[in-house]
Amino acid sequence: DIQMTQSPSSLSASVGDRVTITCQASQDISNYLNWYQQKPGKAPKLLIYDASNLETGVPSRFSGSGSGTDFTFTISSLQPEDIATYYCQQYDNLPRTFGQGTKVEIK
Amino acid sequence: QVQLVQSGAEVKKPGASVKVSCKASGYTFTSYYMHWVRQAPGQGLEWMGIINPSGGSTSYAQKFQGRVTMTRDTSTSTVYMELSSLRSEDTAVYYCARERYYYDSSTPGYWGQGTLVTVSS
Repeated sequence: DIQMTQSPSSLSASVGDRVTITCQASQDISNYLNWYQQKPGKAPKLLIYDASNLETGVPSRFSGSGSGTDFTFTISSLQPEDIATYYCQQYDNLPRTFGQGTKVEIK
Repeated sequence: QVQLVQSGAEVKKPGASVKVSCKASGYTFTSYYMHWVRQAPGQGLEWMGIINPSGGSTSYAQKFQGRVTMTRDTSTSTVYMELSSLRSEDTAVYYCARERYYYDSSTPGYWGQGTLVTVSS
């Protein structure tokens, strides 16, 4: 199975800050990577697909980049409603696998 | 619009089985695969497997092989996930999630509300 490693596991930032999360795959997955946002008590929501494409309706302050084994997810200006846990997910191979998550909090 | 409505919370004893349903609406049921993902309390997301509602073919994560069965009923646009030989570690919220792409299996794009399964003696 492909292992997905996210860092950090949690972070605290101020409103307006730039936030960056990284995701590393245990093998080359090209750009076969999605990013999800999960708010407490809610189902995950797809934010970015194919490593860098913004899902319809998702604010442009969210972005993704990377290919191969190293990927980055960025919130350009953190907003209070962005408090959530973020997950990466690979779809190069079965089984699909998720990173362990990054919890984002407001400082 | 795509809607996935899951069955209600369950409490089961160790060794028992549970069957969770996911009723789909708002799209052509047989054209999009359905994923199952679970989340233990305070933990991350774990992909369990996928079913093609058109022919019923499935692919399961190795971890669940032999204990999970995913089925569908095209007459009611419902998919089912049955997990047997339950143990306390199976306590989790179970989600169905429709694939984002037509006849693809890459991306859980639309999620149900989740079903809490509690395994306790």
